[in-house]
Amino acid sequence: GIQVEQSPPDLILQEGANSTLRCNFSDSVNNLQWFHQNPWGQLINLFYIPSGTKQNGRLSATTVATERYSLLYISSSQTTDSGVYFCAVVGSNYQLIWGAGTKLIIKP
Amino acid sequence: DVKVTQSSRYLVKRTGEKVFLECVQDMDHENMFWYRQDPGLGLRLIYFSYDVKMKEKGDIPEGYSVSREKKERFSLILESASTNQTSMYLCASSLSGASNEKLFFGSGTQLSVL
Repeated sequence: GIQVEQSPPDLILQEGANSTLRCNFSDSVNNLQWFHQNPWGQLINLFYIPSGTKQNGRLSATTVATERYSLLYISSSQTTDSGVYFCAVVGSNYQLIWGAGTKLIIKP
Repeated sequence: DVKVTQSSRYLVKRTGEKVFLECVQDMDHENMFWYRQDPGLGLRLIYFSYDVKMKEKGDIPEGYSVSREKKERFSLILESASTNQTSMYLCASSLSGASNEKLFFGSGTQLSVL
């Protein structure tokens, strides 16, 4: 089945810094989503981005489907950006396959 | 915005008890899902449903059952709770189709089985 790998596993940054999170997947996909899980456990859908680039405020995402990766950019980080960022792709049985996540800590 | 509501934020049950976890979505979504999340194991799919009275097993259905009598409500049932079912349970929904476009999650239920 499709493998989803995220890097880095952990990231600690100072407030105001920029960051890039990466998601590699082992096979072609037609559905990729990025999620943020806050420290209280709530999972929020950030982007539905099977290909191309999308932006939402300080966050943007780019998926290059032909090269099997997606990037999540966070600019001017704030402490509220802390949490775990997951990417997930749809597998052959139409269910989401999740990466292990990148744990981001933004220090004030 | 879509709202997915899980009935309890924290739940403590005893081994052997029958446990019901309820999930309601308010946007007429066809697809609903139950996941559990454990440290180091990520999110694992327990059951999902594409329509009323329809259910499909996910990756780890053993020890669980589900019920979807109404479109907006998807219940997860632990027939006889065990300590290895202590976990964070997350319900999710998406609009329609097999491609699982944009998924929306509830706030989760942290279940402890003693």
